[in-house]
Formats: sequence, structure tokens, C-alpha cells
Amino acid sequence: GEDVEQSLFLSVREGDSSVINCTYTDSSSTYLYWYKQEPGAGLQLLTYIFSNMDMKQDQRLTVLLNKKDKHLSLRIADTQTGDSAIYFCALVKAAGNKLTFGGGTRVLVKP
Amino acid sequence: SAVISQKPSRDICQRGTSLTIQCQVDSQVTMMFWYRQQPGQSLTLIATANQGSEATYESGFVIDKFPISRPNLTFSTLTVSNMSPEDSSIYLCSVEDQEGDRVANYGYTFGSGTRLTVV
Repeated sequence: GEDVEQSLFLSVREGDSSVINCTYTDSSSTYLYWYKQEPGAGLQLLTYIFSNMDMKQDQRLTVLLNKKDKHLSLRIADTQTGDSAIYFCALVKAAGNKLTFGGGTRVLVKP
Repeated sequence: SAVISQKPSRDICQRGTSLTIQCQVDSQVTMMFWYRQQPGQSLTLIATANQGSEATYESGFVIDKFPISRPNLTFSTLTVSNMSPEDSSIYLCSVEDQEGDRVANYGYTFGSGTRLTVV
């Protein structure tokens, strides 16, 4: 199976919270990232978490890491129409190694 | 964080021709990465390029098809050779990014991508 898995699609109403989930298989992952890709654009790093952390908050973004279940989530509070994009989780095993990406979750924010 | 200038941003090419994509970084970086994103898909690593050595290719990618140059610590090129419609994708370069404490500030920055259409 895939090393990193995400659900394909998420629809949310403007102002609500969005939660995007990601599961992975490699427990030796050291850094875990969330990237945002808007239509026709490159990848924007939103946030990341180091494997010795359980939670990281950055303004509207909250990252939760459950190492036991190998589960990573990104919560976006007060979701706006500008948050409509594809969100990729990615992880790296060690510094200097390649990033492994999930398949991406397309988030659609409805007014 | 590093700033990457990638060009061209898009191109439409005839099958059988080659296209060279350039990435310029505003700081010296040890490792540069080249990814492919096929339509509607996630990113797949093509190869890792270190300055002064041959690129390391991932399974399914070969040097003859995707030759890479890394002449210095701020620049790299990826060539897509003998193109076919199946090569139509977005190609992205990426660099390791570190500011200050490596543990607290570690990530990867991406170029804006090259959208390639082969007809």
C-alpha cells in the first residue's frame, strides 16, 4: 500500500473548521509537513511538526500528531474561501532525505 | 527561507523534442530535488542533485530521459528528453531549507513549477 494516505476530498462551509487527515506507515519519520497548492500554483509550506511533538498551533492552523496511530491532522479554524486548494501531507525520514507525499486532499469551501 | 526562481513557468512542446527547466536559488544549498506532478496526481521524486556529483535517480526514472545538471550550489537544470504526451506534467524543483536551529526550522521550499504540455 501507499506510504502516506489522505482522503481525496473535503467540503466545508465558510466559517466552519476544516480537518484534513493523513496516515502514514513509516514510524521513523522525523519531520511531517502540510503543503497547500492552489490552482496553477506551486507548493506553499503551511506548517510542519517535528516527531517529538504532539501538537503545533500557528494562527488558524493546528497540527496534531498521533505517533502511536501514525496519524497526522491539520485543522483550519474559521475556514475562508481562500483556503480552497489541495492540501498535501509529506514526511521525511531524516535530514537530507526525500519527501514522501500523500495523494492530496482537495478542500472546497462553500460560501 | 530560500527563494527559488523556476523557468519556464509553462511550455507547449512537440513530441520528440526536449525541454530544459532551470531553477535558480537565492542562497547556496547542498541538495536540490526534482519532482513530477502528473495531472490530478501527487508529487513523485525524480532525482536528487548534489553539486559536484551525479544525480541520484528514483526507481522508474533514468538519466537518459531526465538528465540533470548541478554546476554550482545555487543552480540546477532538468531536461525532459524525447518528449511524448505522457510527459505532460508539472515539474517542480525543491531545496532543503534551514534557518538557525535545524530542528526547529527545517523544511523544503518549492519552485513555482513548470507546466509542460506535449502535443
